Amino acid sequence: DAKTTQPNSMESNEEEPVHLPCNHSTISGTDYIHWYRQLPSQGPEYVIHGLTSNVNNRMASLAIAEDRKSSTLILHRATLRDAAVYYCIPSNNFNKFYFGSGTKLNVKP
Amino acid sequence: SQTIHQWPATLVQPVGSPLSLECTVEGTSNPNLYWYRQAAGRGLQLLFYSVGIGQISSEVPQNLSASRPQDRQFILSSKKLLLSDSGFYLCAWSALLGGDEAFFGQGTRLTVV
Repeated sequence: DAKTTQPNSMESNEEEPVHLPCNHSTISGTDYIHWYRQLPSQGPEYVIHGLTSNVNNRMASLAIAEDRKSSTLILHRATLRDAAVYYCIPSNNFNKFYFGSGTKLNVKP
Repeated sequence: SQTIHQWPATLVQPVGSPLSLECTVEGTSNPNLYWYRQAAGRGLQLLFYSVGIGQISSEVPQNLSASRPQDRQFILSSKKLLLSDSGFYLCAWSALLGGDEAFFGQGTRLTVV
């Protein structure tokens, strides 16, 4: 299983963009890159996922490096409700999701 | 649309008592099903994974077991709870094909006393 490295914590100001990095240098060619977030006392929430191309949805954008060894989750305008722990997870064809320690995002008003 | 139900939301059980947590999924067929545990202040640990009825993969040795008696029902059990079984238990499902996202239930907070 691919290992991931994420900053333990990051801080952002409200209504500013946030770039959350993830290193997954051991990812295999068929692993998708998933991002989830978890608010306190809640189950994880799906944010976005992709394979090779950059992806956009209503929540965020995902920028995947050309060599696929890293990716960046982009929140275009952080809100207080975006304060959460963000997890980057490569998943294989078996769709097993192994969560690391993630990045705790703090959003300042 | 698909929904996942997990109950109860909270549970306090004495050491040595049995446990049964149930999870059901609606609106999809042949899902992958998962049980996770999150100890206080820790990350999510994958406990069990199932690709079909009666097909259970255990990810870590533990005091717990899982069963899948029906396609969209996943049960987490223990014969005798330990203090170390306390935690936040989450059920999740994903489509069978690789690459699809997982959807999580609201979780059960279990306290063993």
